[in-house]
Amino acid sequence: DAGITQSPRYKITETGRQVTLMCHQTWSHSYMFWYRQDLGHGLRLIYYSAAADITDKGEVPDGYVVSRSKTENFPLTLESATRSQTSVYFCASSEGPTAFFGQGTRLTVV
Amino acid sequence: KQEVTQIPAALSVPEGENLVLNCSFTDSAIYNLQWFRQDPGKGLTSLLLIQSSQREQTSGRLNASLDKSSGRSTLYIAASQPGDSATYLCAVRSLNSNSGYALNFGKGTSLLVTP
Repeated sequence: DAGITQSPRYKITETGRQVTLMCHQTWSHSYMFWYRQDLGHGLRLIYYSAAADITDKGEVPDGYVVSRSKTENFPLTLESATRSQTSVYFCASSEGPTAFFGQGTRLTVV
Repeated sequence: KQEVTQIPAALSVPEGENLVLNCSFTDSAIYNLQWFRQDPGKGLTSLLLIQSSQREQTSGRLNASLDKSSGRSTLYIAASQPGDSATYLCAVRSLNSNSGYALNFGKGTSLLVTP
């Protein structure tokens, strides 16, 4: 199916564990983004990528790592999960004026 | 840094009313502005996109306007229905962005339309 897909949709992990959230898009858009959405904060940019092998930090990058070896994939890794990283994570892609969003991953760190 | 503010934070109206959601932004050097709808526990659905050179966009009962010089946009919903109940997000793509033209979001307006 065409579009942008995030996996898993729901994840519960323990403090200190490494966890990777996956994002895949089928359009070959150059730009991809990771946001987190928290009550009282709205959506905040974690990392973005302008093309394969080009990534850069957004507003709240601490504790996260990204990679982009292929244009279509943009995984987000929490190296050592903390409770403060409990959130809903959204991946997005764009090529031109419109941004398209995945359905989100709800991550709970216990 | 671009700051986006949405007022009101929450709104409850009876079915059939026309309503206006407000969005303001601090840096008028924008590429475009986008309105999204988000249902509880769901992703973001794009409603309307206004380019910086445009004044308004319409889709069905929705009309979005843009006044770039004053840093304001409004989303007008005509003849509201219970199915319009959702959170509405305003997002701005800035020309002066150092984040790959990422969208800057407001915190949203939570709308409840009662039958």
